[in-house]
Amino acid sequence: DTGVSQNPRHKITKRGQNVTFRCDPISEHNRLYWYRQTLGQGPEFLTYFQNEAQLEKSRLLSDRFSAERPKGSFSTLEIQRTEQGDSAMYLCASSSGGWGNQPQHFGDGTRLSIL
Amino acid sequence: GNSVTQMEGPVTLSEEAFLTINCTYTATGYPSLFWYVQYPGEGLQLLLKATKADDKGSNKGFEATYRKETTSFHLEKGSVQVSDSAVYFCALSGDYNQGGKLIFGQGTELSVKP
Repeated sequence: DTGVSQNPRHKITKRGQNVTFRCDPISEHNRLYWYRQTLGQGPEFLTYFQNEAQLEKSRLLSDRFSAERPKGSFSTLEIQRTEQGDSAMYLCASSSGGWGNQPQHFGDGTRLSIL
Repeated sequence: GNSVTQMEGPVTLSEEAFLTINCTYTATGYPSLFWYVQYPGEGLQLLLKATKADDKGSNKGFEATYRKETTSFHLEKGSVQVSDSAVYFCALSGDYNQGGKLIFGQGTELSVKP
């Protein structure tokens, strides 16, 4: 169990640029979640996948955001035309599906700063 | 919709003091409840969980009991240590058919002084 891995750890970009983050879940986990956390707040749910299917998207996820999980393994989160308000920590988590709510294991996050 | 409310921080305690961090929730159906901890410079780690009413989750000396009648899941520890200084998040996930997404409280920062 190597844990959930996220890359990059930090991303600094200018407003209007596109950015992409990657998440590698724990290998046997079929569920993958994306959250966003701003300073002093708890994480907020963005979207989740079961295998390769994206099953739910939060209303927080505007049209500028897109997430994929090809082949049900790693996932990418892309933000197009970044805005100041996109500055946050983006967290990825994974869990085994199963019956009942299995605990989610979190990566260390990608911190996005918009200049 | 589902929501979680935690007591506001920061909470400052002396070493060996008793800790309580209050957490209440609003949810339909039968949620599962969790406490996560975030140590300085690290990612979120699961501290403990409870999946049904009256369950008690425990880990590293921390405990929390799932109280459906009061919709609460308060975190307690009998004797805190400096190494417990961190931000604590209460969270819930809804029924399985709600996808397991977590709804978090705003977090409570704990600072333990020697």
